Amino acid sequence: GQSLEQPSEVTAVEGAIVQINCTYQTSGFYGLSWYQQHDGGAPTFLSYNALDGLEETGRFSSFLSRSDSYGYLLLQELQMKDSASYFCAVVDDKIIFGKGTRLHILP
Amino acid sequence: GAVVSQHPSWVICKSGTSVKIECRSLDFQATTMFWYRQFPKQSLMLMATSNEGSKATYEQGVEKDKFLINHASLTLSTLTVTSAHPEDSSFYICSARGQTYYNEQFFGPGTRLTVL
Repeated sequence: GQSLEQPSEVTAVEGAIVQINCTYQTSGFYGLSWYQQHDGGAPTFLSYNALDGLEETGRFSSFLSRSDSYGYLLLQELQMKDSASYFCAVVDDKIIFGKGTRLHILP
Repeated sequence: GAVVSQHPSWVICKSGTSVKIECRSLDFQATTMFWYRQFPKQSLMLMATSNEGSKATYEQGVEKDKFLINHASLTLSTLTVTSAHPEDSSFYICSARGQTYYNEQFFGPGTRLTVL
């Protein structure tokens, strides 16, 4: 089976940096993806890590350690519009989502 | 980029009726489509995987006779919720994957189903 663990909620201040961690246990694994979802909307793709290391895309970065079955999403220079739920997802022949982390941003 | 559409975006129906939701890949051929269900403030739960021209593979606990999936072409998959009941009210989201985007799935905008 597959399971993913991530914090249910995180609170940070506008302009700050926040890290959302994700650990996983899977039978198959191609890589780890991150998705953002605003209330009422569909998930939007943020990043994909197939290899160990850090991938940077603008204010967002994602890290993967395959040996530790661990990854994280790093959001810098937080903006109010970043308030959303963030899901890590294991990519195999299908994508299995974690339970999501709700990010609250304080002004 | 790859675009996936869903229709309808929302639907309200009476208990006992059937509802069909369409998922289309607009600018690529989707060899595989996935159907997810999301209850409020919860994660996306994979319901089934469908490959064009073959029967869908359902996840454990999902009733295949209740949630009928058809993937008749490389651009269209449909999910029919048969004899819908209030507990089926949810946000249904499809995603599609093509041969050139193997590790990425493109999500549709979702369909909000409310069963009265």
